[in-house]
Amino acid sequence: NAGVTQTPKFQVLKTGQSMTLQCAQDMNHEYMSWYRQDPGMGLRLIHYSVGAGITDQGEVPNGYNVSRSTTEDFPLRLLSAAPSQTSVYFCASSVAGATGELFFGEGSRLTVL
Amino acid sequence: DAKTTQPNSMESNEEEPVHLPCNHSTISGTDYIHWYRQLPSQGPEYVIHGLTSNVNNRMASLAIAEDRKSSTLILHRATLRDAAVYYCILNEGAGSYQLTFGKGTKLSVIP
Repeated sequence: NAGVTQTPKFQVLKTGQSMTLQCAQDMNHEYMSWYRQDPGMGLRLIHYSVGAGITDQGEVPNGYNVSRSTTEDFPLRLLSAAPSQTSVYFCASSVAGATGELFFGEGSRLTVL
Repeated sequence: DAKTTQPNSMESNEEEPVHLPCNHSTISGTDYIHWYRQLPSQGPEYVIHGLTSNVNNRMASLAIAEDRKSSTLILHRATLRDAAVYYCILNEGAGSYQLTFGKGTKLSVIP
């Protein structure tokens, strides 16, 4: 079982560059979300989606874009990377929002120089 | 989401039970209590959740105080693989799309 797959696992960017973090799940989950985790802090929600074509902002959405064209995929786009976006990013999915069991990917570690 | 308070760290000997406490004095009547854990260099992993009654699953037990202002995650026999950060999270239930993670409790397991 693949579960939630994130790519790439590691990425180094220069300030101003753009990139996309990929997230795919094979569990037919309607809900998908992106969190970021900074040292000494808990995970914070960036964006989420409750189904194909539907996205919404979380706690820290600035500087990030998302789209959901299929149930399986939920990419996170950094439009113009900044050092403040250096973090570990986690994608998560579930059957029913945050009320049940969330399945997380292994994370993508991003460094912006 | 309402706030939770957990100890920063705890230690346990291997093969002994572990009781991880969580205070949530401002919990509302519809808030569910969720526990997740995060092993080093991995994403969080669901452990258990409950509303009012105590809950058991293959990983752990969740004991909820009668007034629901506190709860305890119980690992019945700690193994080295249980060394992780454990997060106690309140969730509003139906229609909720965000989990608010605090800093959690870092559990160390001593061989």
